[in-house]
Amino acid sequence: SQQGEEDPQALSIQEGENATMNCSYKTSINNLQWYRQNSGRGLVHLILIRSNEREKHSGRLRVTLDTSKKSSSLLITASRAADTASYFCATAAYYGNNRLAFGKGNQVVVIP
Amino acid sequence: DVKVTQSSRYLVKRTGEKVFLECVQDMDHENMFWYRQDPGLGLRLIYFSYDVKMKEKGDIPEGYSVSREKKERFSLILESASTNQTSMYLCASTSDTYEQYFGPGTRLTVT
Repeated sequence: SQQGEEDPQALSIQEGENATMNCSYKTSINNLQWYRQNSGRGLVHLILIRSNEREKHSGRLRVTLDTSKKSSSLLITASRAADTASYFCATAAYYGNNRLAFGKGNQVVVIP
Repeated sequence: DVKVTQSSRYLVKRTGEKVFLECVQDMDHENMFWYRQDPGLGLRLIYFSYDVKMKEKGDIPEGYSVSREKKERFSLILESASTNQTSMYLCASTSDTYEQYFGPGTRLTVT
């Protein structure tokens, strides 16, 4: 099964700076999603981008998708301490019973 | 808002015990999933179900079984718990939109 791989794995930034994370995958996808996980909690869906879309915005989040390079990036602008979390990308195949393949996660620490 | 609940936040069991993890969702979702999460390995799919009484193996089903007798409830069963099943267990559900809604997780320790 395909799998997202985030890069870099850990990121430490000052409050107010932007945070960028990348994700690569191996096979064709229907869509790619980003999730956030606060320490010890469940995952929360952030944003979904379909394979025919190149960029999507949601509040301070911007996601890009390059299907030719099989990669995606998540940008968090003007970061806040509350953005401290792990971020996961997940890919959905065209035929997969709504299965998602998750990457290993990207830990982001925002220093106040 | 969709709510997914899991029966326990923390659970400690002994090797060889039979363990039941329960997950309930309140949004009439067809699809439900069980994952385990381990440091450095991300989320790995154990089993999923796309309808009542239907189940499919995920990537790591060995040592686990599942039950889905009602649409809102999906149970994960460890027939004989082992120490290598110590992990965080996450349940999720979705309709046809692909976006998954997660429960808060159960941190299981097997001693």
